[in-house]
Amino acid sequence: GAVVSQHPSWVICKSGTSVKIECRSLDFQATTMFWYRQFPKQSLMLMATSNEGSKATYEQGVEKDKFLINHASLTLSTLTVTSAHPEDSSFYICSAFSSRDNSPLHFGNGTRLTVT
Amino acid sequence: AQSVTQLGSHVSVSEGALVLLRCNYSSSVPPYLFWYVQYPNQGLQLLLKYTTGATLVKGINGFEAEFKKSETSFHLTKPSAHMSDAAEYFCAAGYNTDKLIFGTGTRLQVFP
Repeated sequence: GAVVSQHPSWVICKSGTSVKIECRSLDFQATTMFWYRQFPKQSLMLMATSNEGSKATYEQGVEKDKFLINHASLTLSTLTVTSAHPEDSSFYICSAFSSRDNSPLHFGNGTRLTVT
Repeated sequence: AQSVTQLGSHVSVSEGALVLLRCNYSSSVPPYLFWYVQYPNQGLQLLLKYTTGATLVKGINGFEAEFKKSETSFHLTKPSAHMSDAAEYFCAAGYNTDKLIFGTGTRLQVFP
């Protein structure tokens, strides 16, 4: 089945630094990837839609200059949290759509970000 | 606006008992419907999906769900709960199979 790998699984950083999270589709090409944020004991909130070779589409209320998304290839999308603050601490999950099996989203295992 | 409602943020059952997790969607046009399971600090795993066709959908781990258009519901059931079923369950809806709207989740606890 389609596999999505997300790295790192957890990261701790200091306020003001930037953190990059990678999302890779291992055995399929993903023209579209999605980035979600999940607060403790809450549902997933879609942050942005990442399209290969073009600019990401951000959901309302998500700061595009703070959450930089790059989808440079058909198998890799990155989310960079710039100038991180403690309130950015959260669980970030990526997902990718595989047209090969017409399945819904395949999810990565998420990244736990803690900003101190 | 489309939305997905999961009644009950927490559900507790005894091992061997029936599991029923409720999901309703708001839409005049039936969307695609999904149930996902999430274990602590992990991503989401697809349990089952409804797109078209048979309204009773069977998924992994003995779970199934029935799409009822008249009730705009897609409740998840399992005849006999196992301890390993304890997790967070999310219902989701979409008008295709990529961008999804998630419910707020239901935490299932299974007691011995």
